[in-house]
Amino acid sequence: DVVMTQSPLSLPVTLGQPASISCRSSQSLVNSDGNTYLNWFQQRPGQSPRRLIHKVSNRDSGVPDRFSGSGSGTDFTLKISRVEAEDVGVYYCMQATHWPWTFGQGTKVEIK
Amino acid sequence: EVQLVESGGGLVQPGGSLRLSCVVSGFTFSSYWMSWVRQAPGKGLEWVANIQQDGSEKYYVDSVKGRFTISRDNAKNSLYLQLNSLTAEDTALYYCARGHLGEDYWGQGTLVTVSS
Repeated sequence: DVVMTQSPLSLPVTLGQPASISCRSSQSLVNSDGNTYLNWFQQRPGQSPRRLIHKVSNRDSGVPDRFSGSGSGTDFTLKISRVEAEDVGVYYCMQATHWPWTFGQGTKVEIK
Repeated sequence: EVQLVESGGGLVQPGGSLRLSCVVSGFTFSSYWMSWVRQAPGKGLEWVANIQQDGSEKYYVDSVKGRFTISRDNAKNSLYLQLNSLTAEDTALYYCARGHLGEDYWGQGTLVTVSS
């Protein structure tokens, strides 16, 4: 199975400051169809996961533009340009290129 | 508005069975792959299974193969997960989600607790 490794696992941030989460995969996530199925999810406390980014860098509808995704191959990043209070929660990367789909361990974002 | 509502969870003894259901609305159910994802208490997310639009293709994580069965009824806008031979390691919140390459809509989950 593809192992997804996130860092850091805990990320205290100051309101208004940027934040960055790294996600590395044990294999390239480039699919035979040319797409890279790397997604980012946000899970706020007590809520279901919500997809933020699909295929590395495509922001989902309704997702604030302060969230951005980048990367290629095995190395990916989720950035929050200016953290707001509502961004508190756990963020997961997930690959859907190789069966079975696998998630990273999660990165807990909290306000300092 | 897209909605996914799971039900069927509960407390079950080791070795027991449960059938989870997910009723959807707000989109054309028969046009989408569907998935089940679970989350053990205080833990991360684990993809469990998914099913193609017409039910002809199904995929499972190794830990549930031969014990869990995913199915759907497009006429009833419903997704199912039959859980058999349950163990304590299956204790989790089970989410129904739309899609299979990065699920874009999720339900609120139904809790399965396996304990004697």
